[in-house]
Amino acid sequence: DPKIIQKPKYLVAVTGSEKILICEQYLGHNAMYWYRQSAKKPLEFMFSYSYQKLMDNQTASSRFQPQSSKKNHLDLQITALKPDDSATYFCASSQGLSQNTLYFGAGTRLSVL
Amino acid sequence: GDQVEQSPSALSLHEGTSSALRCNFTTTTRSVQWFRQNSRGSLINLFYLASGTKENGRLKSAFDSKELYSTLHIRDAQLEDSGTYFCAAEAGGNEKITFGAGTKLTIKP
Repeated sequence: DPKIIQKPKYLVAVTGSEKILICEQYLGHNAMYWYRQSAKKPLEFMFSYSYQKLMDNQTASSRFQPQSSKKNHLDLQITALKPDDSATYFCASSQGLSQNTLYFGAGTRLSVL
Repeated sequence: GDQVEQSPSALSLHEGTSSALRCNFTTTTRSVQWFRQNSRGSLINLFYLASGTKENGRLKSAFDSKELYSTLHIRDAQLEDSGTYFCAAEAGGNEKITFGAGTKLTIKP
């Protein structure tokens, strides 16, 4: 049973549209993250949350907005989508923010046409 | 430069042989994790180290925080070991975890 659930697995969007990527973790972890992986770059840190509070944001664009409605949820809203946003977006979690093993979801593969 | 320098970028091994992957860090590193990404894209955590060495079956990892490097040794390679291996470092002073560019490992029969 996957303990970190990401939905959808695949997503196709048109340029200029808005999408929400869903992430739920059932590991009882307090910290959650978003990473992005594309052909151009290795796994790239985007955001970290701890107890539903934003701790670090390394994403230059405000088009990317994480949303945490519950402690075990961290969704990612992306607005005004561009073809360059095409990538696989991974959600991850850990027990705490520092010095803890990181666990990943299966990812959402986003293609922007 | 990149905080995490991973080498080699690609490696091909025959079944039954052994080799090592390496990550060098350019800043103080508090801990390191190693992951394998399989052909479906799933990222599996192999090791977490704050110091010293850990072993799990045919895999063994070491982390030297003073010399700023970590290694992942694969012994008696099997076909299912194929994938891309990433190391990830937590820098001292902040909790951000930065990934290396990965080593694509191919195991040949």
